[in-house]
Amino acid sequence: GESVGLHLPTLSVQEGDNSIINCAYSNSASDYFIWYKQESGKGPQFIIDIRSNMDKRQGQRVTVLLNKTVKHLSLQIAATQPGDSAVYFCAERMDTGRRALTFGSGTRLQVQP
Amino acid sequence: EAGVAQSPRYKIIEKRQSVAFWCNPISGHATLYWYQQILGQGPKLLIQFQNNGVVDDSQLPKDRFSAERLKGVDSTLKIQPAKLEDSAVYLCASSLTSGKSLGEQYFGPGTRLTVT
Repeated sequence: GESVGLHLPTLSVQEGDNSIINCAYSNSASDYFIWYKQESGKGPQFIIDIRSNMDKRQGQRVTVLLNKTVKHLSLQIAATQPGDSAVYFCAERMDTGRRALTFGSGTRLQVQP
Repeated sequence: EAGVAQSPRYKIIEKRQSVAFWCNPISGHATLYWYQQILGQGPKLLIQFQNNGVVDDSQLPKDRFSAERLKGVDSTLKIQPAKLEDSAVYLCASSLTSGKSLGEQYFGPGTRLTVT
């Protein structure tokens, strides 16, 4: 399939290590944030979301942290596996007005065995 | 549950030609989205439908792009005439609702368009 994100920033980690992917969002009025994973040749896949009234949310092996003061979002992946290799996008949305998702530019995660 | 279906998966056309993409959302999903994803960038919303009505088409280049969802299920996105800068992956997504609930969006595999 086609490659996604040939010129994206890349994070390279060893299998078993923890990964942290960062995202700076643009709109202080955004109140809903999502992390997506996109493998080559596939559409984005939902990983985890968080509302603006929270600062941390945990899923299976993933944690999202939200710092509204500096408009920063991070995705932590515990015990990173080769199957986690993909491009990761954060997306933001407002609760009023235009409610469409706005995606960030993405980070490529490469997991070395 | 079947996912969002899109066809074709790949299309190569010359500039100034026309092209159409098809999307079949997840059964029961009222909201359908078309995104354009240029290589190296995140998806950008082109148009959003709620059933067969347009909710948001503010970023759709209406001089050359059109989309319809006549019966509130399948949708087609058309480009006429295509330009070189239209080369991208066109993603379709659907969700149960676009109202005040969050409505997780499920994406199809996309159609890779190359304009030469």
